[in-house]
Amino acid sequence: EAGVAQSPRYKIIEKRQSVAFWCNPISGHATLYWYQQILGQGPKLLIQFQNNGVVDDSQLPKDRFSAERLKGVDSTLKIQPAKLEDSAVYLCASSPTTSANEQFFGPGTRLTVL
Amino acid sequence: AQSVTQLDSQVPVFEEAPVELRCNYSSSVSVYLFWYVQYPNQGLQLLLKYLSGSTLVKGINGFEAEFNKSQTSFHLRKPSVHISDTAEYFCAVRGVGDMRFGAGTRLTVKP
Repeated sequence: EAGVAQSPRYKIIEKRQSVAFWCNPISGHATLYWYQQILGQGPKLLIQFQNNGVVDDSQLPKDRFSAERLKGVDSTLKIQPAKLEDSAVYLCASSPTTSANEQFFGPGTRLTVL
Repeated sequence: AQSVTQLDSQVPVFEEAPVELRCNYSSSVSVYLFWYVQYPNQGLQLLLKYLSGSTLVKGINGFEAEFNKSQTSFHLRKPSVHISDTAEYFCAVRGVGDMRFGAGTRLTVKP
């Protein structure tokens, strides 16, 4: 069974530029999560999807961050414009349902904003 | 909302020694508790979870954890560590709403 796929693995941009990350969850998993992991901290949930609908985006900085999961499968997270404090690893995870108690994580995308 | 505190940011230990990584949580409702491991440049992998039942939970790679409701703790233990256990370990709690992670404990196993 293929795991959660993410791309790119690394990205370096200048502040005020835009960037997008892609995630393909495990086949059949209805729930998809995006986390931000700042160096030295645990992952923090940005947004949770159930199929193509948003379940929780309360911690997403909506002035610059956006995410979509149009067909209920893969997802894109965008930052526009980026700030220095956005430097972090962005993790995607999936689970079979919202109530499932195990999340399967991808390898993450390490973003550096200069 | 629930929260997690990992009491040690770094734990150095010699190979074949026992280790305990400490985790305390705060929640006003019943919770589910998890330990994840993160190897360099990889995502998180589930080590073990407590949902209900026996308070002693066994996971992969010889790790175990004990849920202590009165002390609101979920400490992770291994009787004999290997070099390959060097990694970042995250405690997480899920009650109402999303999963909350601790800041992590870096376990370094020295030869």
